[in-house]
Amino acid sequence: QVQLVQSGAEVKKPGASVKVSCKASGYTFTSYEINWVRQATGQGLEWMGWMNPNSENTGSTQNFQGRVTMTRNTSISTAYMELSSLRSEDTAVYYCARGCRSSSSTPAASPWFDPWGQGTLITVSS
Amino acid sequence: SYELTQPPSVSVSPGQTARITCSGDALSKQYGYWYQQKSGQAPLLVIYKDNERPSGIPERFSGSSSGTTVTFTISGVQAEDEADYYCQSADSSGTYVVFGGGTKLTVL
Repeated sequence: QVQLVQSGAEVKKPGASVKVSCKASGYTFTSYEINWVRQATGQGLEWMGWMNPNSENTGSTQNFQGRVTMTRNTSISTAYMELSSLRSEDTAVYYCARGCRSSSSTPAASPWFDPWGQGTLITVSS
Repeated sequence: SYELTQPPSVSVSPGQTARITCSGDALSKQYGYWYQQKSGQAPLLVIYKDNERPSGIPERFSGSSSGTTVTFTISGVQAEDEADYYCQSADSSGTYVVFGGGTKLTVL
Protein backbone atom coordinates (compact mmCIF):
# COMPACT_ATOMS: atom_id res chain seq x y z
CA GLN A 1 0.00 0.00 0.00
CA VAL A 2 1.02 3.61 -0.50
CA GLN A 3 2.80 4.77 2.64
CA LEU A 4 4.98 7.58 3.95
CA VAL A 5 7.11 6.84 7.03
CA GLN A 6 8.83 9.70 8.82
CA SER A 7 11.83 9.87 11.13
CA GLY A 8 11.46 10.07 14.90
CA ALA A 9 10.95 12.91 17.32
CA GLU A 10 13.78 15.32 18.04
CA VAL A 11 14.61 17.99 20.62
CA LYS A 12 16.66 20.95 19.42
CA LYS A 13 18.03 24.11 20.96
CA PRO A 14 17.09 27.54 19.60
CA GLY A 15 19.25 28.49 16.63
CA ALA A 16 19.92 24.89 15.63
CA SER A 17 18.72 23.06 12.52
CA VAL A 18 16.65 19.89 12.17
CA LYS A 19 16.29 17.49 9.24
CA VAL A 20 13.20 15.28 8.96
CA SER A 21 13.04 12.35 6.56
CA CYS A 22 10.01 10.91 4.79
CA LYS A 23 10.38 7.47 3.15
CA ALA A 24 7.86 6.62 0.45
CA SER A 25 6.74 3.15 -0.58
CA GLY A 26 4.02 1.58 -2.68
CA TYR A 27 4.23 4.01 -5.61
CA THR A 28 6.72 5.63 -8.01
CA PHE A 29 8.44 8.21 -5.81
CA THR A 30 9.33 10.58 -8.66
CA SER A 31 5.76 10.78 -9.98
CA TYR A 32 4.25 12.81 -7.12
CA GLU A 33 5.24 15.95 -5.26
CA ILE A 34 6.04 15.75 -1.57
CA ASN A 35 4.53 18.51 0.55
CA TRP A 36 5.35 19.50 4.12
CA VAL A 37 2.73 20.64 6.63
CA ARG A 38 3.19 21.48 10.29
CA GLN A 39 0.85 21.64 13.25
CA ALA A 40 1.62 23.29 16.58
CA THR A 41 0.00 21.71 19.63
CA GLY A 42 -3.71 22.47 19.67
CA GLN A 43 -3.47 24.48 16.45
CA GLY A 44 -4.44 24.03 12.83
CA LEU A 45 -2.53 22.80 9.80
CA GLU A 46 0.05 25.10 8.21
CA TRP A 47 1.35 24.32 4.71
CA MET A 48 5.09 24.90 4.43
CA GLY A 49 5.99 24.02 0.86
CA TRP A 50 6.50 21.37 -1.79
CA MET A 51 9.20 19.51 -3.68
CA ASN A 52 9.09 17.75 -7.03
CA PRO A 53 11.22 14.60 -6.47
CA ASN A 54 11.81 14.26 -10.22
CA SER A 55 13.27 17.74 -10.81
CA GLU A 56 14.02 18.70 -7.20
CA ASN A 57 12.22 21.98 -7.86
CA THR A 58 10.77 23.41 -4.68
CA GLY A 59 8.47 26.14 -3.45
CA SER A 60 7.59 27.39 0.00
CA THR A 61 5.52 30.02 1.73
CA GLN A 62 7.06 33.35 2.66
CA ASN A 63 6.96 32.30 6.30
CA PHE A 64 9.67 29.73 5.64
CA GLN A 65 11.62 31.09 2.69
CA GLY A 66 15.29 31.22 3.54
CA ARG A 67 14.89 28.79 6.45
CA VAL A 68 13.56 25.62 4.84
CA THR A 69 15.41 23.30 2.47
CA MET A 70 13.64 20.39 0.79
CA THR A 71 15.72 17.67 -0.87
CA ARG A 72 15.43 14.01 -1.83
CA ASN A 73 17.36 10.81 -2.48
CA THR A 74 15.59 9.00 -5.27
CA SER A 75 17.66 5.83 -4.81
CA ILE A 76 15.93 5.24 -1.47
CA SER A 77 12.63 7.03 -2.25
CA THR A 78 13.15 9.45 0.62
CA ALA A 79 12.40 13.15 0.91
CA TYR A 80 13.96 15.46 3.47
CA MET A 81 12.93 18.75 5.04
CA GLU A 82 15.54 20.78 6.88
CA LEU A 83 14.50 23.79 8.94
CA SER A 84 17.21 26.12 10.20
CA SER A 85 17.48 28.91 12.79
CA LEU A 86 14.95 27.15 14.98
CA ARG A 87 12.97 29.12 17.53
CA SER A 88 10.49 28.05 20.18
CA GLU A 89 7.58 28.85 17.85
CA ASP A 90 8.78 26.08 15.52
CA THR A 91 7.81 23.46 18.10
CA ALA A 92 5.24 21.38 16.24
CA VAL A 93 4.44 18.09 14.57
CA TYR A 94 5.78 18.10 11.01
CA TYR A 95 4.02 16.01 8.38
CA CYS A 96 5.01 15.02 4.88
CA ALA A 97 2.19 14.29 2.45
CA ARG A 98 2.02 13.10 -1.14
CA GLY A 99 0.58 15.74 -3.45
CA CYS A 100 -1.96 14.32 -5.88
CA ARG A 101 -3.39 15.79 -9.05
CA SER A 102 -5.74 14.28 -11.61
CA SER A 103 -4.62 13.72 -15.18
CA SER A 104 -6.95 16.53 -16.24
CA SER A 105 -5.58 19.01 -13.70
CA THR A 106 -4.23 22.29 -15.00
CA PRO A 107 -0.89 23.52 -13.64
CA ALA A 108 -2.77 26.07 -11.54
CA ALA A 109 -4.98 23.45 -9.89
CA SER A 110 -4.47 22.78 -6.21
CA PRO A 111 -3.17 19.34 -5.32
CA TRP A 112 -4.71 17.23 -2.61
CA PHE A 113 -2.72 15.33 -0.03
CA ASP A 114 -2.94 11.56 0.27
CA PRO A 115 -1.49 9.84 2.15
CA TRP A 116 0.22 11.63 5.02
CA GLY A 117 3.20 10.50 7.05
CA GLN A 118 2.66 9.72 10.70
CA GLY A 119 4.20 13.02 11.77
CA THR A 120 7.45 13.98 13.50
CA LEU A 121 7.41 16.01 16.72
CA ILE A 122 10.11 18.66 16.77
CA THR A 123 10.58 20.37 20.13
CA VAL A 124 12.68 23.53 20.30
CA SER A 125 13.76 24.28 23.84
CA SER A 126 16.79 25.64 25.62
CA SER B 1 -2.62 36.31 1.78
CA TYR B 2 -5.37 33.88 0.92
CA GLU B 3 -7.66 32.47 3.61
CA LEU B 4 -10.29 29.79 4.04
CA THR B 5 -12.89 30.31 6.76
CA GLN B 6 -14.51 27.47 8.71
CA PRO B 7 -16.68 27.53 11.85
CA PRO B 8 -14.61 26.58 14.91
CA SER B 9 -17.10 23.99 16.11
CA VAL B 10 -20.17 22.01 15.13
CA SER B 11 -22.18 19.76 17.45
CA VAL B 12 -24.72 17.12 16.45
CA SER B 13 -26.45 14.14 18.01
CA PRO B 14 -25.84 10.62 16.70
CA GLY B 15 -27.86 9.89 13.58
CA GLN B 16 -28.28 13.55 12.66
CA THR B 17 -26.66 15.36 9.75
CA ALA B 18 -23.56 17.47 10.27
CA ARG B 19 -22.59 20.18 7.81
CA ILE B 20 -19.32 22.10 7.85
CA THR B 21 -18.78 25.05 5.53
CA CYS B 22 -15.57 26.51 4.16
CA SER B 23 -15.49 29.89 2.42
CA GLY B 24 -12.83 31.60 0.34
CA ASP B 25 -12.74 33.69 -2.83
CA ALA B 26 -10.55 31.28 -4.80
CA LEU B 27 -13.00 28.42 -4.24
CA SER B 28 -14.87 29.71 -7.27
CA LYS B 29 -11.81 28.68 -9.32
CA GLN B 30 -10.20 25.95 -7.23
CA TYR B 31 -11.50 22.64 -5.89
CA GLY B 32 -11.97 22.14 -2.17
CA TYR B 33 -10.60 19.17 -0.25
CA TRP B 34 -11.48 17.84 3.21
CA TYR B 35 -9.44 16.01 5.83
CA GLN B 36 -10.45 14.28 9.03
CA GLN B 37 -8.01 14.38 11.93
CA LYS B 38 -8.70 12.31 15.02
CA SER B 39 -6.84 13.05 18.24
CA GLY B 40 -3.18 12.10 18.01
CA GLN B 41 -3.41 10.97 14.38
CA ALA B 42 -2.31 12.32 11.03
CA PRO B 43 -4.94 13.89 8.79
CA LEU B 44 -6.89 11.59 6.47
CA LEU B 45 -8.29 12.68 3.10
CA VAL B 46 -12.08 12.20 3.10
CA ILE B 47 -13.23 14.32 0.12
CA TYR B 48 -11.30 15.50 -2.96
CA LYS B 49 -12.26 17.69 -5.93
CA ASP B 50 -15.25 19.13 -4.03
CA ASN B 51 -17.33 15.94 -3.92
CA GLU B 52 -15.26 12.84 -4.72
CA ARG B 53 -14.86 10.21 -2.03
CA PRO B 54 -11.59 8.22 -1.82
CA SER B 55 -11.75 4.46 -1.66
CA GLY B 56 -12.57 3.24 1.83
CA ILE B 57 -14.29 6.43 2.99
CA PRO B 58 -17.87 5.81 4.20
CA GLU B 59 -20.73 6.80 1.90
CA ARG B 60 -22.22 8.96 4.65
CA PHE B 61 -19.42 11.47 3.91
CA SER B 62 -20.12 13.84 1.03
CA GLY B 63 -19.10 17.23 -0.31
CA SER B 64 -20.59 19.98 -2.42
CA SER B 65 -19.64 23.34 -3.85
CA SER B 66 -21.48 26.56 -4.61
CA GLY B 67 -19.78 29.80 -5.56
CA THR B 68 -17.08 30.60 -3.03
CA THR B 69 -18.20 28.00 -0.47
CA VAL B 70 -17.61 24.29 -0.20
CA THR B 71 -19.58 22.17 2.25
CA PHE B 72 -18.73 18.87 3.91
CA THR B 73 -21.67 16.76 5.06
CA ILE B 74 -21.91 13.69 7.25
CA SER B 75 -25.32 12.02 6.98
CA GLY B 76 -26.20 9.87 9.97
CA VAL B 77 -23.32 10.93 12.21
CA GLN B 78 -21.71 8.22 14.30
CA ALA B 79 -19.69 8.58 17.50
CA GLU B 80 -16.54 7.58 15.60
CA ASP B 81 -16.90 10.66 13.39
CA GLU B 82 -15.93 12.95 16.26
CA ALA B 83 -12.76 14.68 15.02
CA ASP B 84 -11.32 17.89 13.65
CA TYR B 85 -12.12 18.55 10.00
CA TYR B 86 -10.01 20.78 7.76
CA CYS B 87 -10.76 22.15 4.31
CA GLN B 88 -7.88 22.80 1.91
CA SER B 89 -7.48 24.55 -1.39
CA ALA B 90 -5.06 26.96 -3.05
CA ASP B 91 -4.98 30.54 -4.27
CA SER B 92 -6.33 31.13 -7.76
CA SER B 93 -2.86 30.78 -9.33
CA GLY B 94 -2.28 27.47 -7.58
CA THR B 95 0.96 28.77 -6.10
CA TYR B 96 0.06 28.61 -2.42
CA VAL B 97 -1.84 25.85 -0.68
CA VAL B 98 -3.99 26.93 2.23
CA PHE B 99 -5.92 25.16 4.97
CA GLY B 100 -8.98 26.39 6.78
CA GLY B 101 -8.68 26.87 10.52
CA GLY B 102 -10.39 23.56 11.26
CA THR B 103 -13.77 22.63 12.70
CA LYS B 104 -14.14 20.47 15.79
CA LEU B 105 -17.07 18.11 15.32
CA THR B 106 -18.59 17.00 18.60
CA VAL B 107 -21.04 14.09 18.68
CA LEU B 108 -23.34 14.70 21.62
